[in-house]
Amino acid sequence: DGGITQSPKYLFRKEGQNVTLSCEQNLNHDAMYWYRQDPGQGLRLIYYSQIVNDFQKGDIAEGYSVSREKKESFPLTVTSAQKNPTAFYLCASSIGKTQYFGPGTRLLVL
Amino acid sequence: GENVEQHPSTLSVQEGDSAVIKCTYSDSASNYFPWYKQELGKGPQLIIDIRSNVGEKKDQRIAVTLNKTAKHFSLHITETQPEDSAVYFCAASKNPNYGGSQGNLIFGKGTKLSVKP
Repeated sequence: DGGITQSPKYLFRKEGQNVTLSCEQNLNHDAMYWYRQDPGQGLRLIYYSQIVNDFQKGDIAEGYSVSREKKESFPLTVTSAQKNPTAFYLCASSIGKTQYFGPGTRLLVL
Repeated sequence: GENVEQHPSTLSVQEGDSAVIKCTYSDSASNYFPWYKQELGKGPQLIIDIRSNVGEKKDQRIAVTLNKTAKHFSLHITETQPEDSAVYFCAASKNPNYGGSQGNLIFGKGTKLSVKP
């Protein structure tokens, strides 16, 4: 079954804690993306990676970090520096122009 | 940079009626315009896309039109059904061969479509 998987579906963060969201794809796509979705805000780009071992900041990268050590994986870490992390996080991958999204992770703050 | 405006933010129609969602973009160099459907608690799913070398594309009950001169594109859903109820997003991007972030998708803020039985 091919596609993009994200885990966990729900994640709870305590004050001052770093948390990591997983994104895996078996579509053999070179490019991968992380978006944040807030109510009424649409999708905002956090980070993107066009190739393994390379990634670029998006529009709202502050308080987040990523790595791209393998083509299939693009984990996102929400650091303690991100003061308003509660949101729905979406991972996507693309071949050419078309982006395909995972099911999302909802991050909540305790 | 590119800016995408989407209207309306909410749309309610009766089952069987048509629904139209409109988006405008600011960068005349944009050449790819996808539409995504997002159901509650799920990731967006691509439903149709159009490239700047065509003016209209149709897939069963869904169609997209593009007016490059006016820099706007629209999603048309005919014979709406309750399962069409979802949030719809438009997006725009330039040719990714430009490199850097210029090929990234810029999204509208979404339209919540409700289809009443």
